[in-house]
Amino acid sequence: DTEVTQTPKHLVMGMTNKKSLKCEQHMGHRAMYWYKQKAKKPPELMFVYSYEKLSINESVPSRFSPECPNSSLLNLHLHALQPEDSALYLCASSQDFPGSSYEQYFGPGTRLTVT
Amino acid sequence: AQSVTQLDSHVSVSEGTPVLLRCNYSSSYSPSLFWYVQHPNKGLQLLLKYTSAATLVKGINGFEAEFKKSETSFHLTKPSAHMSDAAEYFCVVSVLVNTDKLIFGTGTRLQVFP
Repeated sequence: DTEVTQTPKHLVMGMTNKKSLKCEQHMGHRAMYWYKQKAKKPPELMFVYSYEKLSINESVPSRFSPECPNSSLLNLHLHALQPEDSALYLCASSQDFPGSSYEQYFGPGTRLTVT
Repeated sequence: AQSVTQLDSHVSVSEGTPVLLRCNYSSSYSPSLFWYVQHPNKGLQLLLKYTSAATLVKGINGFEAEFKKSETSFHLTKPSAHMSDAAEYFCVVSVLVNTDKLIFGTGTRLQVFP
């Protein structure tokens, strides 16, 4: 099973709301990633977790807060977002990190709209 | 520095004709290279990867790519396009330098006409 699942598929939230995005994989992968993708652009890396520890934070604003409760789950907590944060948020996983030869498997994404 | 350039932002072909999506990379180290496809409002799906084994890499759905070190290219081809191939394609390089991240090209949108 090479599937990464993400919930919800769509999310609309106001600028004062608090919400969470969830990601799950059961491939035994030890690295998990959050990406942000704007329309007609490639994905931009936000965070990398390796063995449940935060390895990379790409200078993401603190209104985005990642969490890795266990090796299969990855959350992204959202608070006080701005309209420009509206995007497709993609989760991915790979066998290990670092490991340049390891391909990343992507989930279907959560389409976030901030009003 | 590592980088990847997709030479065409948009490619249009007729169904049943060959597909060529061009990608050039720049790397001081031996790279791993990937092609991903993204259908509208979907996640990215891995088509194929090169990791210093055979230079001709076969992927899913009839796609293949050839790694040419002398030309620093990794072009994606398919002999006969299908309507379902219409999507965005990303060429990606991964280099283990300090931090191991994927570097994405800007993408090529493939249109397939009947």
